[in-house]
Amino acid sequence: GESVGLHLPTLSVQEGDNSIINCAYSNSASDYFIWYKQESGKGPQFIIDIRSNMDKRQGQRVTVLLNKTVKHLSLQIAATQPGDSAVYFCAENRGDTGRRALTFGSGTRLQVQP
Amino acid sequence: SQTIHQWPATLVQPVGSPLSLECTVEGTSNPNLYWYRQAAGRGLQLLFYSVGIGQISSEVPQNLSASRPQDRQFILSSKKLLLSDSGFYLCAWNGQGNTEAFFGQGTRLTVV
Repeated sequence: GESVGLHLPTLSVQEGDNSIINCAYSNSASDYFIWYKQESGKGPQFIIDIRSNMDKRQGQRVTVLLNKTVKHLSLQIAATQPGDSAVYFCAENRGDTGRRALTFGSGTRLQVQP
Repeated sequence: SQTIHQWPATLVQPVGSPLSLECTVEGTSNPNLYWYRQAAGRGLQLLFYSVGIGQISSEVPQNLSASRPQDRQFILSSKKLLLSDSGFYLCAWNGQGNTEAFFGQGTRLTVV
């Protein structure tokens, strides 16, 4: 179901360390996944995406890993910076016929300590 | 380039009053349009999505309704607001097929 009613878990890391944010999805029919970053009071912003025919995709300082066997998605941020502090959401497109809306995970708050 | 506009940014409304939030997209045709709600410190809940003019799908039963009178216009409404309607409302769009969704800046609604 939709991800509401859950308080956001928090990941606290030191500046310069690598961060790993995890996400589990439930629908094996999902074929497209996205990570979003949301800063306070703003709309989510696209970070990186991956399709189900891939296991890994890299961007600038970010890597997304997809494990379809256990329905798990992770976002790795290298050399985390204070500007990375935000809430991170994974989203899946379930690929159902006629329903192309993204379904979001519950989110993780990343706090970067200077 | 494509842009999405959502207004107002903040809104304080009394219980029982009507609501109308508007979202428009520029620079694209026939987008999929979405309304999400986010309670404080929580995830995003899909409320409505639309794949075309006049085509609205509701995801959860609620006190709200949506309309799409034009291709790039999506409106979220209520006849009588409840306290539980308070939240951060986000409009989003994406293209046909598997593509990322782009979000507006959101409307923070407080029902008092």
